[in-house]
Amino acid sequence: AQKITQTQPGMFVQEKEAVTLDCTYDTSDQSYGLFWYKQPSSGEMIFLIYQGSYDEQNATEGRYSLNFQKARKSANLVISASQLGDSAMYFCAMREGRYEKLTFGTGTRLTIIP
Amino acid sequence: KAGVTQTPRYLIKTRGQQVTLSCSPISGHRSVSWYQQTPGQGLQFLFEYFSETQRNKGNFPGRFSGRQFSNSRSEMNVSTLELGDSALYLCASSGTGITEAFFGQGTRLTVV
Repeated sequence: AQKITQTQPGMFVQEKEAVTLDCTYDTSDQSYGLFWYKQPSSGEMIFLIYQGSYDEQNATEGRYSLNFQKARKSANLVISASQLGDSAMYFCAMREGRYEKLTFGTGTRLTIIP
Repeated sequence: KAGVTQTPRYLIKTRGQQVTLSCSPISGHRSVSWYQQTPGQGLQFLFEYFSETQRNKGNFPGRFSGRQFSNSRSEMNVSTLELGDSALYLCASSGTGITEAFFGQGTRLTVV
């Protein structure tokens, strides 16, 4: 089974609208962390937001928030007021237990339309 | 605070050659992980080093190896290059907290 599933290969969103990128995960560990990264065409992976499995509140970082639903094993990224510069690939990733290894989803290509 | 630095940014090599990539983590970070990104396989974990010791290894052939120095800088080496090794190689730097993993800009390797 896939550990990280991103079901939206591509999305087109109008500028200034909010967008939700889906991510579901599969793990039997009690302790894990969920990450979202943005990868522009330059290739660099830019860290956006982190959610720990024991965190009771949803993580927020500026225009980014993570909608964490533990029972459903989902960790959707919400970008408010989208901007043209948000156009990029977005990856959801999970770190399990005490290991540093990240397991990535296949990504979602987000295109913001002016 | 300087970010993660990977060198070189671009490389073109011939089949059968070997290559060494370098990663300098964020100052104070002791863990460095390496990933390979290809259009077909996506992002795959290669290995992780902490305090000069390999702690975890992905499912790659022995041609892929790495090491970490006492200043936490890490190198990865690929010997006997194959066309399928063409990829973006990314390294990630982590501190003592588990809430962060910052990546460098990557090294784009092309094998011809």
